[in-house]
Amino acid sequence: AQKVTQAQTEISVVEKEDVTLDCVYETRDTTYYLFWYKQPPSGELVFLIRRNSFDEQNEISGRYSWNFQKSTSSFNFTITASQVVDSAVYFCALSEAQGNDYKLSFGAGTTVTVRA
Amino acid sequence: DAGVIQSPRHEVTEMGQEVTLRCKPISGHDYLFWYRQTMMRGLELLIYFNNNVPIDDSGMPEDRFSAKMPNASFSTLKIQPSEPRDSAVYFCASSKGGYGNQPQHFGDGTRLSIL
Repeated sequence: AQKVTQAQTEISVVEKEDVTLDCVYETRDTTYYLFWYKQPPSGELVFLIRRNSFDEQNEISGRYSWNFQKSTSSFNFTITASQVVDSAVYFCALSEAQGNDYKLSFGAGTTVTVRA
Repeated sequence: DAGVIQSPRHEVTEMGQEVTLRCKPISGHDYLFWYRQTMMRGLELLIYFNNNVPIDDSGMPEDRFSAKMPNASFSTLKIQPSEPRDSAVYFCASSKGGYGNQPQHFGDGTRLSIL
């Protein structure tokens, strides 16, 4: 079963529009962590944000904000006033305990295209 | 600070050849991960190490794949013999501590093409 579901395969917007990326996860753990990563066309994976399961406070960091709702197992990510440089594949990931360690499970990714 | 360094960035070789991918983790990070990314399967964890010791290799596709970490600053992923279906982008990542709240930092990846 897929642990992390990103239902949106592709999103295309015009510059300055807001973009919200959906992420739904599945876990039986009470302690877990959620991440968003960005993969620009150059190919590297860049860590963006992290949230733990016992802190549902939503935050804003620059043009990025996230909405974590445990009740619906969702961890959505918003880019405000999008720019062309935001064009990338965005991955949501779940970190949950596996024995003595934690393992990261990635969603399939959402491709965001920002047009000038 | 230097990030995770992978080499080579690109590798093209013929099937049957041995392929060795290399990774230098971030200094001070005690966890090292190898991932494979393909269009069909997305990002898959192949193997990870804690303090140079392989902990879980259940993601390694088959015996043709092997990984080593002889010291804290170097790891290799080897494919022998290589097959066209091994073509993918291979990422190395490292993190400090196994606690789930520590982000994994990824290298730029090695784009492998097996002809």
